[in-house]
Parts: sequence; C-alpha cells; structure tokens
Amino acid sequence: AQSVTQLDSQVPVFEEAPVELRCNYSSSVSVYLFWYVQYPNQGLQLLLKYLSGSTLVKGINGFEAEFNKSQTSFHLRKPSVHISDTAEYFCAVMGNAGGTSYGKLTFGQGTILTVHP
Amino acid sequence: DTGVSQNPRHKITKRGQNVTFRCDPISEHNRLYWYRQTLGQGPEFLTYFQNEAQLEKSRLLSDRFSAERPKGSFSTLEIQRTEQGDSAMYLCASSLSGGGYTFGSGTRLTVV
Repeated sequence: AQSVTQLDSQVPVFEEAPVELRCNYSSSVSVYLFWYVQYPNQGLQLLLKYLSGSTLVKGINGFEAEFNKSQTSFHLRKPSVHISDTAEYFCAVMGNAGGTSYGKLTFGQGTILTVHP
Repeated sequence: DTGVSQNPRHKITKRGQNVTFRCDPISEHNRLYWYRQTLGQGPEFLTYFQNEAQLEKSRLLSDRFSAERPKGSFSTLEIQRTEQGDSAMYLCASSLSGGGYTFGSGTRLTVV
C-alpha cells in the first residue's frame, strides 16, 4: 500500500516569488510519482511525473520537482509564480513492479497555493 | 478527441433516489478509473477497469455503488439509495497502461 503526505495545507506567496510545495510518500514497492493541479470546479491536470531516470523532472507552466528516494520526497518548485498559479495542487503515487504499474493513484490531501499581487 | 467527458456536470437528487453518471474516456485508452473527491480532500480511488474487466474495487465502494464498462469504451457509475454522505465530486480518468491519467471535469453530486 502507498500513502502520501502533503506537508502544507495552504501556501500563500507573493507574485514573482519562488515557491516549494512539499510532498512525502511511503510505499513498500517502487513508485511512480505525480503532481496534479486543480482549478475550482474542474478536474485535475497533470503537471509532471517521475517514472524513472533523471530525478529532476520538468513539467508544464514552469514547474519542476525532484525525486529523492532516500528521503521519500517529491517536492514541487517554481522559481517565480504568477497570479494564474493560484490553485490546489495534489501529489500522487502509483506503485509498480518491474515497470508495470498497479494502476491506482493514491493522492495527498492537497496544498492550496494562493499567489498575491 | 476532446479528452475525457463526464455527464452530467452537476446532479442534485433527493436522499434515497438512484443516480447514474457516465464517463467517456479517450478512445485509445484501455484503462478507466473512478475517484471520489470531497471538499478539502484529495481524490479517493473507487474502482478501475482495464478494457471491460473491473480489476480492482475499493472498500469505499459499498454495495450501493456499481460500475460498469460493458464494451470497454464508456463507463457508468450508479449509486442506489443515495445518502447525504454520497455528496461529492465524482471524477473519471483514463490512461494507457501505466503513466499519468487524463481526468474529466467531474460530476458534482449533491444529495438533499
């Protein structure tokens, strides 16, 4: 089984400042890791994913995340945020065995990012 | 292909009534998933299909819930004898085996 902990429920930040949204996970098997963004009354949009290879992954809208296996973390970062980045962000994990995914995503409880002018 | 489509977008129903939601996945995706999301929480897994086979069901999926994907294309999620605790956003997603999902916009259910 997998679990995900997002360490901050809300993160307020000023426009053009850097931001980091923290995510830790636990799993007894290898994992794939994901970050999704959700705007009000909408579904989830994939920001980026780690499947294998380089531990630094780049996604859409200038976001990036680093997989740290020893710390079981997958923190999301952006060097300079915009008002339009205001949304809820979800970290998620999927177990896999030998490169074959288990299918089910387990989500954290979300972090609301609010960007102030 | 316009992505994952869910209907209806909103549903208000009286307690005790049955409701059915529909999800049309991306046509070439063989996996289809249902999740439930309540206010302030992340999505919780309900069930998923690979083609027409239902491969896993969460213990959250009580006997009042049933999901089908009869021809391996669209899927329906039915809730019988709805309760106020069923009020939530029901999200559908599809994928090829492995990798990230594409989510629909969800169906928001309100049970009054």
